[in-house]
Amino acid sequence: AQTVTQSQPEMSVQEAETVTLSCTYDTSESDYYLFWYKQPPSRQMILVIRQEAYKQQNATENRFSVNFQKAAKSFSLKISDSQLGDAAMYFCAYEGGSGYALNFGKGTSLLVTP
Amino acid sequence: GAGVSQSPSNKVTEKGKDVELRCDPISGHTALYWYRQRLGQGLEFLIYFQGNSAPDKSGLPSDRFSAERTGESVSTLTIQRTQQEDSAVYLCASSLSLSETQYFGPGTRLLVL
Repeated sequence: AQTVTQSQPEMSVQEAETVTLSCTYDTSESDYYLFWYKQPPSRQMILVIRQEAYKQQNATENRFSVNFQKAAKSFSLKISDSQLGDAAMYFCAYEGGSGYALNFGKGTSLLVTP
Repeated sequence: GAGVSQSPSNKVTEKGKDVELRCDPISGHTALYWYRQRLGQGLEFLIYFQGNSAPDKSGLPSDRFSAERTGESVSTLTIQRTQQEDSAVYLCASSLSLSETQYFGPGTRLLVL
């Protein structure tokens, strides 16, 4: 079974600064997908970014980018120019290449201070 | 609306009662998923549907849990004889097809007293 580990239960960043959230995973598969989801207090899980394992290029979405290290099984999320609206729980998730279920980490609570 | 919707938003029930949770996926999405999120935890996969077929039910926590889907639309998650440990947020997601990006609904918060 694949496991996803987020070692930072809580992180804090000042507005306009950059923060990096860590995620590691364990798998024996070579083809898979990785995701970062954001969950604000409204409970809605919002997709932030998706990475295909076969792509070496790191995915980016505006202020959000990832550092995907396949050999190290590491998938960190960098948020640049942090905004108050970025405050939320962030979940890292894994989906196997032949699978369907997302395996989630326990999440990192991000606090953004003015 | 264009997104995944779930009802009710919140449900309070007494231990031993049955509850039904509903999910309306995004129109045209053939795959539908149910997850459970206990307080302070990540999401736990329960079951998925491809069309109205659920090939793998092994993620359901016990035989008190069941799910159905009508065609490629509405799905219902039923919990019979609820227990306090069933208290959680139940999230539904849908995707265009299996292995496509999953889009989530707002969830149903279930509290069993």
